[in-house]
Amino acid sequence: GAVVSQHPSRVICKSGTSVKIECRSLDFQATTMFWYRQFPKQSLMLMATSNEGSKATYEQGVEKDKFLINHASLTLSTLTVTSAHPEDSSFYICSARSAGEVGELFFGEGSRLTVL
Amino acid sequence: GQNIDQPTEMTATEGAIVQINCTYQTSGFNGLFWYQQHAGEAPTFLSYNVLDGLEEKGRFSSFLSRSKGYSYLLLKELQMKDSASYLCALMDSNYQLIWGAGTKLIIKP
Repeated sequence: GAVVSQHPSRVICKSGTSVKIECRSLDFQATTMFWYRQFPKQSLMLMATSNEGSKATYEQGVEKDKFLINHASLTLSTLTVTSAHPEDSSFYICSARSAGEVGELFFGEGSRLTVL
Repeated sequence: GQNIDQPTEMTATEGAIVQINCTYQTSGFNGLFWYQQHAGEAPTFLSYNVLDGLEEKGRFSSFLSRSKGYSYLLLKELQMKDSASYLCALMDSNYQLIWGAGTKLIIKP
């Protein structure tokens, strides 16, 4: 199956700093990528939908100025958590759908962010 | 609006069969997914149903009834490694996934 690579897998940062997480589709072109957040023992929560070449669509309650999403190419989307706070500590997961496909979503490995 | 329900937790015995149910309500439907998620890892795809009926894939099968808003994931010959959370997700009319809260499956020897 298709491969989505997410980096870094783990990151620890100080409060107030910014962290960038990359999501790459390695063997297919992804016109749409999704960013999720998952708190312990909870389900995935969609944060935003990232479309190549256009602005991301954010879900209600997600601060677009805090969670910056850039989808500059058909194989790369980035999520930047700006001015991170301890409550931003979570598991962030990206997924991608192959261009023209409706079905299966391919997930990255996830990035565990810990803000001290 | 949309709503998805699945049990929070289930326990089964190694070698047995378990059925995880998922019920949903939606105005637009473009398929139903099942994903497996081990603790601390990203979800992995198990199945996709868009038509009524049973889809079998090895030890795992998934069933869908659109008229009843109902799906189940059937796991046979349970192995300890099947201990994980199983997420039911609905694809809505905008082709976005609406996730259930997940069912934590505990396998006992």
